[in-house]
Amino acid sequence: DVKVTQSSRYLVKRTGEKVFLECVQDMDHENMFWYRQDPGLGLRLIYFSYDVKMKEKGDIPEGYSVSREKKERFSLILESASTNQTSMYLCASSRRTSGTGPETQYFGPGTRLLVL
Amino acid sequence: AQRVTQPEKLLSVFKGAPVELKCNYSYSGSPELFWYVQYSRQRLQLLLRHISRESIKGFTADLNKGETSFHLKKPFAQEEDSAMYYCALLTGGTSYGKLTFGQGTILTVHP
Repeated sequence: DVKVTQSSRYLVKRTGEKVFLECVQDMDHENMFWYRQDPGLGLRLIYFSYDVKMKEKGDIPEGYSVSREKKERFSLILESASTNQTSMYLCASSRRTSGTGPETQYFGPGTRLLVL
Repeated sequence: AQRVTQPEKLLSVFKGAPVELKCNYSYSGSPELFWYVQYSRQRLQLLLRHISRESIKGFTADLNKGETSFHLKKPFAQEEDSAMYYCALLTGGTSYGKLTFGQGTILTVHP
């Protein structure tokens, strides 16, 4: 059974702090993703990674960076947290697409971040 | 530009009634579409994908390229169907599995 875990369920930080959100998957997936989930806006992709040390910007990368030093771990970094980054953050992973079609994304439980 | 639109933020039906959650997309390539669901206090999970032409938990979705739609339907809604539903479009090259999600629809099924 695929398992995607996120380091914290709830996090409270102050404006200007550097924030690390960690995601770990145990299924040897090549692709990993970070989204934020906001009411009325759905899920928006922040960054994704298709291999170790590889990363691509998603739709809303501003104010965020990522790190993927090991295949199973994908970290989201808020260099200087701001109140508009208060949100639910979801991590997901998937296999590299095979000849049978696109692979399912498996999601973590989410981290609810509050920036004061 | 690729876009997924779910026009209804909220949808309420009574148990046993038919339900249809609307999804429209904009994409220049050959679309591959999905429905994901998030039940209360559970993580987001795949419900179905159009390529599989499957029925999951009584739900079906047909890709209509002419109308650029991928509506999710169930003939008889159940209370346990109450959840947040997201339509998603595969974009950015199939190798990466990058998805563009709609805004989501909260479905409430009343007893």
